[in-house]
Amino acid sequence: EVQLLESGGGLVQPGGSLRLSCAASGFTFSSYAMSWVRQAPGKGLEWVSDISGGGGGTYYADSVKGRFSISRDNSKNTVFLQMNSLRAEDTAVYFCAKDRAIVGVTGTFDYWGKGTLVTVSS
Amino acid sequence: QSALTQPASVSGSPGQSITISCTGTSSGVGGFTYVSWYQQHPGKAPKLMIYEVSNRPSGVSNRFSGSKSGNTASLTISGLQAEDEADYYCSLYTSTTSTVFGGGTKLTVL
Repeated sequence: EVQLLESGGGLVQPGGSLRLSCAASGFTFSSYAMSWVRQAPGKGLEWVSDISGGGGGTYYADSVKGRFSISRDNSKNTVFLQMNSLRAEDTAVYFCAKDRAIVGVTGTFDYWGKGTLVTVSS
Repeated sequence: QSALTQPASVSGSPGQSITISCTGTSSGVGGFTYVSWYQQHPGKAPKLMIYEVSNRPSGVSNRFSGSKSGNTASLTISGLQAEDEADYYCSLYTSTTSTVFGGGTKLTVL
């Protein structure tokens, strides 16, 4: 059974940093691209970042480029999102999601974690 | 990035069919393969319902179907059930724009 479990969310002041983790199980982790998708309170889904299975390809939404960094540790089946220079508008539930395709990035998310809440406020 | 436009809300009675549209506002969805639809109940994670325009993942009811015509992708739900009441999001992936989500549609089962 595929499971994705996010952690690391919490309250942080504007300008601060936070590192999210997503522990995966139930599939060959290194074969699949992974992504982060966020949802601000009462709002829709917003794609944040992708990372390829091997970790060599990373992609970011314009809204987070230069501030967020995605990485993965395939030996620990974990994907990370390092978030720096946080702003109030980054407040959201952050979901970790698995890409459906066994090779490459397709932006098709067949499994999602339950999400972790990040609140940016003074 | 191309924006995707969905109606804010749709409604239908149990047993009826409804269709939710997803229209690209710049390059559109017409020439692209990776169009997906997600269902999200309040406080829950999204669930993949349709991928690559018209394919259903294992376990998704065949009451859900997807299609594409010109610049618009559509999700049709037939035989509406109370449990179908949720938010629905379309998404489009291209190698140049990465993933873009539509604004979401709230489905109310009357």
